[in-house]
Amino acid sequence: GESVGLHLPTLSVQEGDNSIINCAYSNSASDYFIWYKQESGKGPQFIIDIRSNMDKRQGQRVTVLLNKTVKHLSLQIAATQPGDSAVYFCACPHNKLIFGAGTRLAVHP
Amino acid sequence: DVKVTQSSRYLVKRTGEKVFLECVQDMDHENMFWYRQDPGLGLRLIYFSYDVKMKEKGDIPEGYSVSREKKERFSLILESASTNQTSMYLCASTYSGTVSYEQYFGPGTRLTVT
Repeated sequence: GESVGLHLPTLSVQEGDNSIINCAYSNSASDYFIWYKQESGKGPQFIIDIRSNMDKRQGQRVTVLLNKTVKHLSLQIAATQPGDSAVYFCACPHNKLIFGAGTRLAVHP
Repeated sequence: DVKVTQSSRYLVKRTGEKVFLECVQDMDHENMFWYRQDPGLGLRLIYFSYDVKMKEKGDIPEGYSVSREKKERFSLILESASTNQTSMYLCASTYSGTVSYEQYFGPGTRLTVT
């Protein structure tokens, strides 16, 4: 069946370093992807999205890369800050939104 | 700003009790969703609704039912709570359309069934 997964459950980085969170998906018909951030005690919040006709999209300090050939997308966070500590989900709509299990990003001073 | 609110942040119920989780959104969204979130499993869709009085089963509807009597309110009902329904429950809403894209989430209700 369909799945959206993340390569690592936890990622630890030093403050100021760049972070890369990866996600794989199984449905090659997927044409739209979303990254969410979930801070402790809160619901997920939209960060950035990308459509399949793009391979890169940039936001403020975040960049999402999409590789349709290997069905992989990544979220890059530049100059990671303590406030970036959260669980990050990729999600892929196909009739309904399918979420990955999440990667916990821990930022150390 | 879109606001999605859930009636309780924390709830403790006994096995066999009937449990109501309420969700209200203030942006006139047609679509509303209920998920449960468990460690290592991510968000799993329980039920969703595209309009008042309409409901659709998600991936794990067993043991749950829903009610959408008003556009802004979507209720999740646990008919007879069991310990395996201990979880974080998240409500979400989104603008009308056939597919849920950017969803706006509530803060979640952490339910413990003892």
